[in-house]
Amino acid sequence: QKEVEQDPGPLSVPEGAIVSLNCTYSNSAFQYFMWYRQYSRKGPELLMYTYSSGNKEDGRFTAQVDKSSKYISLFIRDSQPSDSATYLCAMSATNYGQNFVFGPGTRLSVLP
Amino acid sequence: NAGVMQNPRHLVRRRGQEARLRCSPMKGHSHVYWYRQLPEEGLKFMVYLQKENIIDESGMPKERFSAEFPKEGPSILRIQQVVRGDSAAYFCASSSENRAQAFFGQGTRLTVV
Repeated sequence: QKEVEQDPGPLSVPEGAIVSLNCTYSNSAFQYFMWYRQYSRKGPELLMYTYSSGNKEDGRFTAQVDKSSKYISLFIRDSQPSDSATYLCAMSATNYGQNFVFGPGTRLSVLP
Repeated sequence: NAGVMQNPRHLVRRRGQEARLRCSPMKGHSHVYWYRQLPEEGLKFMVYLQKENIIDESGMPKERFSAEFPKEGPSILRIQQVVRGDSAAYFCASSSENRAQAFFGQGTRLTVV
């Protein structure tokens, strides 16, 4: 079993849809959770950073962490074609050193 | 304020040659991290450096790979005697003291022929 699992997609949705992206993990020591967006041939861009369980909202993006289920989610409301990218989850047991474990990424296409 | 700068963007090397990848962190950032991304795989941590120090190299292959972040100048990831399996995108990220808030460069795509 991989340490972080993520459905690779591709996931295609119509413009305006609510998108749900998910990751599961096996290491109960993980406490810091991040979502990155990566456009084709570009570097990852940090979207959301959360610590421990709970929800965090930033504009059209909401991150949820359920440590009891070892499950994290990223919701995108009112999706736009410009949201088409690969979304990577990442997690770590510490806030030190950036030795994060990344999921393989989910490719999202938002169709106009 | 320029972001993380990596060069070259694309690098082609023949088997057995050396590859040198450079990374200039964002202004004010003293922490640099290198990752490798293979097709259809996630980012894999390689090494974490501060100025003149290697802090964590647990993700670095034991042979042929080395990294440095000198007092002056960019961080360098060096791959000696490259093999086809080294072909990948190599990303550098930098951060200030808030280490989780890291910013990535555009990456260097290494192709070994």
